[in-house]
Amino acid sequence: EAQVTQNPRYLITVTGKKLTVTCSQNMNHEYMSWYRQDPGLGLRQIYYSMNVEVTDKGDVPEGYKVSRKEKRNFPLILESPSPNQTSLYFCASSPTINSNSPLHFGNGTRLTVT
Amino acid sequence: LAKTTQPISMDSYEGQEVNITCSHNNIATNDYITWYQQFPSQGPRFIIQGYKTKVTNEVASLFIPADRKSSTLSLPRVSLSDTAVYYCLVGPRNSGNTPLVFGKGTRLSVIA
Repeated sequence: EAQVTQNPRYLITVTGKKLTVTCSQNMNHEYMSWYRQDPGLGLRQIYYSMNVEVTDKGDVPEGYKVSRKEKRNFPLILESPSPNQTSLYFCASSPTINSNSPLHFGNGTRLTVT
Repeated sequence: LAKTTQPISMDSYEGQEVNITCSHNNIATNDYITWYQQFPSQGPRFIIQGYKTKVTNEVASLFIPADRKSSTLSLPRVSLSDTAVYYCLVGPRNSGNTPLVFGKGTRLSVIA
């Protein structure tokens, strides 16, 4: 089944403890992206990647890192999480970088930083 | 990048047609218009996409006027299961400096 898989679905951690949220897609998509969703703010893009070894900042990249060493994986790294990074996170992918390629989203990771 | 404006919320009764309009005054020549549906605690799901005029699929229709400065998502005969947030997304991703920006969406509540 074609899908975008995020892990974990739920994560509770403490301030300053490094964590990684994994994202994997099995559709050979070139484009991958991370979003965070907060009440009243909609979906905001954190980082995106147009292909392997090509990443770029979105609207809210501060406090996050990403890597794209393989086409299928696009992990989101929080080196030193803070409570303001408590949010619902979504990974997405699409076949190409062209504007007519719809995004496929994962089911989300709910992160709580205390 | 084209910014979008949608109503924050809409209510409808079951069986009615619902039209959600999105404004995108700064849309560029190579921008497509894409609509997504999101249920609580799930990732957004693609509904429909268009460039101009009218597009129809098994789920919805998308109407785009000639100037492309707005678009209307039309959901025929909604049911309770159509209660969700609907996002209008406009923009290309051909450039390395083009983040893909979602608006705040329209929360549709369908009432029995």
